Amino acid sequence: GNSVTQMEGPVTLSEEAFLTINCTYTATGYPSLFWYVQYPGEGLQLLLKATKADDKGSNKGFEATYRKETTSFHLEKGSVQVSDSAVYFCALSGSGGSNYKLTFGKGTLLTVNP
Amino acid sequence: ETGVTQSPTHLIKTRGQQVTLRCSSQSGHNTVSWYQQALGQGPQFIFQYYREEENGRGNFPPRFSGLQFPNYSSELNVNALELDDSALYLCASSLDVSGATDTQYFGPGTRLTVL
Repeated sequence: GNSVTQMEGPVTLSEEAFLTINCTYTATGYPSLFWYVQYPGEGLQLLLKATKADDKGSNKGFEATYRKETTSFHLEKGSVQVSDSAVYFCALSGSGGSNYKLTFGKGTLLTVNP
Repeated sequence: ETGVTQSPTHLIKTRGQQVTLRCSSQSGHNTVSWYQQALGQGPQFIFQYYREEENGRGNFPPRFSGLQFPNYSSELNVNALELDDSALYLCASSLDVSGATDTQYFGPGTRLTVL
């Protein structure tokens, strides 16, 4: 079945540091890949997505590239801010006939200190 | 365009009781999905409804059931509550079920505590 593996957290950085959160997946076919962010006490918000190999999703300074050869979709940001503190979830959909659902990783808690 | 809303925000029930959670999808979105998020975990897919019919189901027992209405609202019903049902329940709406690339827009969730 489909699965998503994210790097274990928590991740603690200082403001303006470089961020990488690793995400790898197992799926058949050609899934779409997503990063969602969850701020404290809130639901999930779509951060970015990529729907085919070599696509780069980007939003609010965050980027991730769909790498089929390494089955990865790592999230990066060049300079984090305190307001980026949240839980980040990598997810996939559209593989193995299960177009209808998102499969999530366990999430990575990011804390950015001033 | 309104976002996805859910009610109630918080709910406390006792084991064996029944609960109904409600969701209002974004206008024009024909598809609603429900997810269970246990503490410290990623959301787990419960089921999806498309135009008032169940379109797919995750690994949840039949005591988890749902309804979708023509006015873009939906319900998640859970019977015979168990302690392990304590979680954040999220609904998500999307335009159509046909494409895996479609973005699912999530509501803020309902926090259910079972005592």
